Amino acid sequence: KNEVEQSPQNLTAQEGEFITINCSYSVGISALHWLQQHPGGGIVSLFMLSSGKKKHGRLIATINIQEKHSSLHITASHPRDSAVYICAVTGTASKLTFGTGTRLQVTL
Amino acid sequence: EAQVTQNPRYLITVTGKKLTVTCSQNMNHEYMSWYRQDPGLGLRQIYYSMNVEVTDKGDVPEGYKVSRKEKRNFPLILESPSPNQTSLYFCATKRGYSYEQYFGPGTRLTVT
Repeated sequence: KNEVEQSPQNLTAQEGEFITINCSYSVGISALHWLQQHPGGGIVSLFMLSSGKKKHGRLIATINIQEKHSSLHITASHPRDSAVYICAVTGTASKLTFGTGTRLQVTL
Repeated sequence: EAQVTQNPRYLITVTGKKLTVTCSQNMNHEYMSWYRQDPGLGLRQIYYSMNVEVTDKGDVPEGYKVSRKEKRNFPLILESPSPNQTSLYFCATKRGYSYEQYFGPGTRLTVT
């Protein structure tokens, strides 16, 4: 079993829909990261959080430390949100462990 | 502009021919790391460095070497590449333990 599990693996949504991507982890962590990877391959850090909730524009990330679970929400989704979203956790010695990603396709 | 650069961006090579992928950052970050990304496996850490002259193995270090002689550079060396090292490689940096990572643009390596 992977230390970081994401669901769903693939997601198709229509423009305007509210999207939720989930991440569960099984190890002790100091922080959880949400990353975005566009089809060209580049990776951008969206959020780093260790408790509570963060918001940036239409994106919201939450974490529940007791349940070892995080969610990434996208409100009013748009085709430009189409990307792979990756959850990662920082454990011991600053080591990052990654989920395998959720591929999101937003259609018109 | 804050940047992490990798060179080359694309490389096709043959088994056994030594190669180096360079990584350079202009943010004065202490922490640098190398990852490989493979379909179905996601990103996996190869090596990381907490500071100059301090490096340590990640999850998949076999077949790779690194060095950190200067703060800004963290080259990845494949002494004798093999086809199973065909992958997309990312360098990343961050300021310290509890900060977000900045990723380079990636290097797509094919070993035939």
